Amino acid sequence: DAKTTQPPSMDCAEGRAANLPCNHSTISGNEYVYWYRQIHSQGPQYIIHGLKNNETNEMASLIITEDRKSSTLILPHATLRDTAVYYCILQLLAGNKLTFGGGTRVLVKP
Amino acid sequence: EAGVVQSPRYKIIEKKQPVAFWCNPISGHNTLYWYRQNLGQGPELLIRYENEEAVDDSQLPKDRFSAERLKGVDSTLKIQPAELGDSAVYLCASSWEDGWNTEAFFGQGTRLTVV
Repeated sequence: DAKTTQPPSMDCAEGRAANLPCNHSTISGNEYVYWYRQIHSQGPQYIIHGLKNNETNEMASLIITEDRKSSTLILPHATLRDTAVYYCILQLLAGNKLTFGGGTRVLVKP
Repeated sequence: EAGVVQSPRYKIIEKKQPVAFWCNPISGHNTLYWYRQNLGQGPELLIRYENEEAVDDSQLPKDRFSAERLKGVDSTLKIQPAELGDSAVYLCASSWEDGWNTEAFFGQGTRLTVV
């Protein structure tokens, strides 16, 4: 599985948009970009995934660059409950394992 | 609908003792995973089942760890004997994989402390 690079930590203000970057310069053509988050003392939670087009759901938006070498997860209006570790993961669609890196520890401040 | 259920939530044992963790996946999910998460790190896959078949156990320390998924539903992960370095959170996850959707649902995990 190709690797991803994320900043180890970032702070953001409550109510503002949080933009979480992820670099994946060695991504292969059939690998999807997945985002999960892990709130303290809980298991990881799926957020969103995409292949090449931008995606949006009720939790977040995913922006993937045209060359697919990087992506950004956007939490449009961060709340205190969004404080968590966010993982960017590359995965083949069918029957593959999730390979977690270190993630980005996001702290949402009032 | 209940999510992935794991038990126990916490376990403290002495080194060299055996320990077992239990996982009940989401009903209908054909794929089940066991992960181990050390403090401050991301989860690492131990074993993945498709139905009752272990399709990826390359990261499972087979000298002391074993797992089973009888009838392709519940699963048990066992450590015998436990070592101090086995202290970690053990996470179970399940998913329905049909070639189009691989969103995994995780349980809350079992926090194991070996003393």
